[in-house]
Amino acid sequence: TQLLEQSPQFLSIQEGENLTVYCNSSSVFSSLQWYRQEPGEGPVLLVTVVTGGEVKKLKRLTFQFGDARKDSSLHITAAQPGDTGLYLCAGAGGTSYGKLTFGQGTILTVHP
Amino acid sequence: NAGVTQTPKFRVLKTGQSMTLLCAQDMNHEYMYWYRQDPGMGLRLIHYSVGEGTTAKGEVPDGYNVSRLKKQNFLLGLESAAPSQTSVYFCASSYDRPKGEQYFGPGTRLTVT
Repeated sequence: TQLLEQSPQFLSIQEGENLTVYCNSSSVFSSLQWYRQEPGEGPVLLVTVVTGGEVKKLKRLTFQFGDARKDSSLHITAAQPGDTGLYLCAGAGGTSYGKLTFGQGTILTVHP
Repeated sequence: NAGVTQTPKFRVLKTGQSMTLLCAQDMNHEYMYWYRQDPGMGLRLIHYSVGEGTTAKGEVPDGYNVSRLKKQNFLLGLESAAPSQTSVYFCASSYDRPKGEQYFGPGTRLTVT
């Protein structure tokens, strides 16, 4: 069974601060995805990383896939209240018909 | 495009009652999934389908059944609801592996009393 450990579970920061969310596993994934979920809605895909060591940027968000494809991180620079939400990482395995293994999620609250 | 839609949005059941949740997608995706989301546990896969007429068990299938009679629809059934099935249920669909990027519906909040 593949597991993804996401940390921290909760993050409460002030507007303008930087933060990093981590997603770790002992398993290798063919790709790693990050989703953001707002209250009352379904998760929405932010990014997919596929290659070990890959770094992708989405405005103030930077995503990195570990060299061994077992871990990933999400870094937010100068967080804003609009970044508030639940962030989920999810790993796709090689023979899983697109099935994803989700981390437990990080609830981020950015205070004005 | 409506994307992925779910019906109903909210439901309250009494223990032992049955119900069916409907998921529909208009993106011509082959794969569809049902998840449940509980606090601190992320998303757990209940059942999934890799094409019309096919279904398979996920991580937490007990107490649920599914059917995929049409490519665009994926139904989740609870034959005899239990309080442990109180949760938020999400349907998702995707194009294909291996990336497995999934598109989610808005969710159904189910309470079993």
